[in-house]
Amino acid sequence: SYELSQPPSASVSPGQTASITCSGDKLGDKYACWYQQKPGQSPVLVIYQDNKRPSGIPERFSGSNSGNTATLTISGTQAMDEADYYCQAWDSSTVVVFGGGTKLTVL
Amino acid sequence: QVQLVQSGAEVKKPGASVKVSCKASGYTFTSYPIHWVRQAPGQRLEWMGWINAGNGNTKYSQKFQGRVTITRDTSANTAYMELSSLTSEVTAVYYCAREGSGRQLLYWGQGTLVTVSS
Repeated sequence: SYELSQPPSASVSPGQTASITCSGDKLGDKYACWYQQKPGQSPVLVIYQDNKRPSGIPERFSGSNSGNTATLTISGTQAMDEADYYCQAWDSSTVVVFGGGTKLTVL
Repeated sequence: QVQLVQSGAEVKKPGASVKVSCKASGYTFTSYPIHWVRQAPGQRLEWMGWINAGNGNTKYSQKFQGRVTITRDTSANTAYMELSSLTSEVTAVYYCAREGSGRQLLYWGQGTLVTVSS
């Protein structure tokens, strides 16, 4: 079955750029999505179709996807961006796969 | 506005079954698939399966195949997720989520905590 791998944790200083990676076999041939989840809350979609932002998501969130790696980039990171981030893709267009999640700490 | 409102927390004994509901509003229910996602305490998101709300077709994760049943009632604009033969290992928050036009999980319910304890 298809698998997506993420680093368990990442840290960034306020105002700096955070990058979170997601790896999977030929992931660049699929669309990648990213979700933000804060403690006790439901996930929120922040990036879909590799680099599109849903309405209401700040411009500081961006995404890319090529080869075997998708990347979520948060520019000018704010304290409110501290959360768990999950990547997601479709396998064979019928099965949803999530990455293991990355805990982003803003310190 | 699109809303997915899930049923309340459940406490069940091992071996029992549980059925969680997800009531949709703010859009044409049959136009978008509904997914179910599990999250055990402190753990990652796990995709369980999805239902085509229009024709009722389903697809399940291999991990949950045979243990979960996803259905829908179009007259009630509601999707359901039923788990059987519960064990303590399935204690988790269960989310429903609706796809967007780009097959992303755009709208999420508030989550339902299912606790399995003797």
